Amino acid sequence: GAVVSQHPSWVICKSGTSVKIECRSLDFQATTMFWYRQFPKQSLMLMATSNEGSKATYEQGVEKDKFLINHASLTLSTLTVTSAHPEDSSFYICSARDEGQGVIGADTQYFGPGTRLTVL
Amino acid sequence: RKEVEQDPGPFNVPEGATVAFNCTYSNSASQSFFWYRQDCRKEPKLLMSVYSSGNEDGRFTAQLNRASQYISLLIRDSKLSDSATYLCAVNRFDTPLVFGKGTRLSVIA
Repeated sequence: GAVVSQHPSWVICKSGTSVKIECRSLDFQATTMFWYRQFPKQSLMLMATSNEGSKATYEQGVEKDKFLINHASLTLSTLTVTSAHPEDSSFYICSARDEGQGVIGADTQYFGPGTRLTVL
Repeated sequence: RKEVEQDPGPFNVPEGATVAFNCTYSNSASQSFFWYRQDCRKEPKLLMSVYSSGNEDGRFTAQLNRASQYISLLIRDSKLSDSATYLCAVNRFDTPLVFGKGTRLSVIA
């Protein structure tokens, strides 16, 4: 299957700092990438849809000024958690849609390995 | 009502057992259906897509019932390595996947 990488895999930071997470599709181009967040023993919750060359679409309740998303190329999307606080500690996972796969109506998404953020 | 709901877990089964998970979805316009497996502190990995005709991959069988709006996953001859959380996911054309909360499976020796 297609490969999606994320960097860093884990990060510990002080409250008030900003953290940038990168998501790359390594062997395919992705005009659409997705950012999810998962708290312990909870499901993946979609935060936003990242569209190459345009603004991200945020889910209800997700602050766009706090979670900055940039999708400047077909293989890279970044999520920046600004002024992070302990309640932002979570597992952040990106996925990329491989539009060259599947049949019309199908959606093959590949996930990155996730980034575990701990804010002290 | 949540868009995707799954059986509450955990399921604790002995090796060799057959176990079934169900997942219901509320949006009748959903077009694509998937089962993912997620190991502890790891990302979800696609286990199998679910088609209307049903599909089988080794010990795993997935079924879709559009009329009742549910999908199922059957695991036969459970192995210790099957222990994980199983997530169902659905979407419509060009929309993000919506995941269920997941069902945790523990296969016991």
